[in-house]
Amino acid sequence: IAGITQAPTSQILAAGRRMTLRCTQDMRHNAMYWYRQDLGLGLRLIHYSNTAGTTGKGEVPDGYSVSRANTDDFPLTLASAVPSQTSVYFCASSVAQEYNEQFFGPGTRLTVL
Amino acid sequence: GQNIDQPTEMTATEGAIVQINCTYQTSGFNGLFWYQQHAGEAPTFLSYNVLDGLEEKGRFSSFLSRSKGYSYLLLKELQMKDSASYLCAGMDSNYQLIWGAGTKLIIKP
Repeated sequence: IAGITQAPTSQILAAGRRMTLRCTQDMRHNAMYWYRQDLGLGLRLIHYSNTAGTTGKGEVPDGYSVSRANTDDFPLTLASAVPSQTSVYFCASSVAQEYNEQFFGPGTRLTVL
Repeated sequence: GQNIDQPTEMTATEGAIVQINCTYQTSGFNGLFWYQQHAGEAPTFLSYNVLDGLEEKGRFSSFLSRSKGYSYLLLKELQMKDSASYLCAGMDSNYQLIWGAGTKLIIKP
């Protein structure tokens, strides 16, 4: 692995189903983030984690949950998907919360019907 | 509230220079970022400014005026591969990035 990987690349999901988007980084970065990107809107922060074992809520956390059991993995779970969660989801990481550059994964395109 | 404003779309000619403007309003300020995003791909980091002035990096330069809440990204000697969206983001007092909707840059031959 080099950088950040996300899985799946894309997914079509029925409303009401549970879904976990996976994110793994091999850069030993402390901070990790989940964003959603919708047409005409900027990236919006869903949840973040400044270090393993801690998480925080971003701008649009409702309907999503995260965990950070170790440094490398930061899964995002939709407990009961709704059509408004149709979006492109990006995972990102940085050396530390206050560090400049965030590195992004390739994204997951999620469609909820 | 927090807000980042940038033009939705710009068109420029190959070989020319283009300036993409961004105005920001954040709760506290810990820097201004520019990212490039090609269609269907992830954003990639271009520049970071935290002090006033111009930062030059090859064909790309970024400028910041903290007193005016203003930044611009300057792209010189435009190439077709520069066709992409350019995202402006301000870092607030909690070290969270507030993102603009992006400027789609179209390069014409």
